[in-house]
Amino acid sequence: AQSVTQPDARVTVSEGASLQLRCKYSYSATPYLFWYVQYPRQGLQLLLKYYSGDPVVQGVNSFEAEFSKSNSSFHLQKASVHWSDSAVYFCALSSTNSAGNKLTFGIGTRVLVRP
Amino acid sequence: AQTIHQWPVAEIKAVGSPLSLGCTIKGKSSPNLYWYWQATGGTLQQLFYSITVGQVESVVQLNLSASRPKDDQFILSTEKLLLSHSGFYLCAWSLDSGNTLYFGEGSRLIVV
Repeated sequence: AQSVTQPDARVTVSEGASLQLRCKYSYSATPYLFWYVQYPRQGLQLLLKYYSGDPVVQGVNSFEAEFSKSNSSFHLQKASVHWSDSAVYFCALSSTNSAGNKLTFGIGTRVLVRP
Repeated sequence: AQTIHQWPVAEIKAVGSPLSLGCTIKGKSSPNLYWYWQATGGTLQQLFYSITVGQVESVVQLNLSASRPKDDQFILSTEKLLLSHSGFYLCAWSLDSGNTLYFGEGSRLIVV
């Protein structure tokens, strides 16, 4: 069975500081990995995705994530956060051969950026 | 460009009343379509997916049903709402050859 763990339910950072959100996955093969962001009362927006190749992937709004097969991780990072980055961030996994492209989500990490 | 529209944006419904939530995709033919449910402050759980018109697969049983009457339309419904149906319902689409899901803005449901 596949699973995604986001160990930090809440993260508070100051504006301009760096941000790292952790994500660990469990899957028997190489997964497709995603980070989505959800702003208050809105749907999910795709930040970035990893399928294969370079383990560091660049996303929108200066976010990047690094895939590590040895650590089964896909951590999200941003060098300098802005107050508008306050949102809930979801890590998700899609198995490569599942019918219907089922995404398994983590519980999400709520990020609060203090001015 | 593809657009995904969900309706209604929000609803307050009584326990035992019927529900119908809709989702329309424009700009993409024959997409895979999905319904997800998110409890308040919680993670997302896939409810249904559809690969083609008239074909819907159920992932979890929550006393809900889904239908795909048209290529670009996905409907979520129930005849009798439960308090546990409260939450945020998200429709999503993907290409049949891809694993990336693109989500709509969601429909918020409060059952009282």
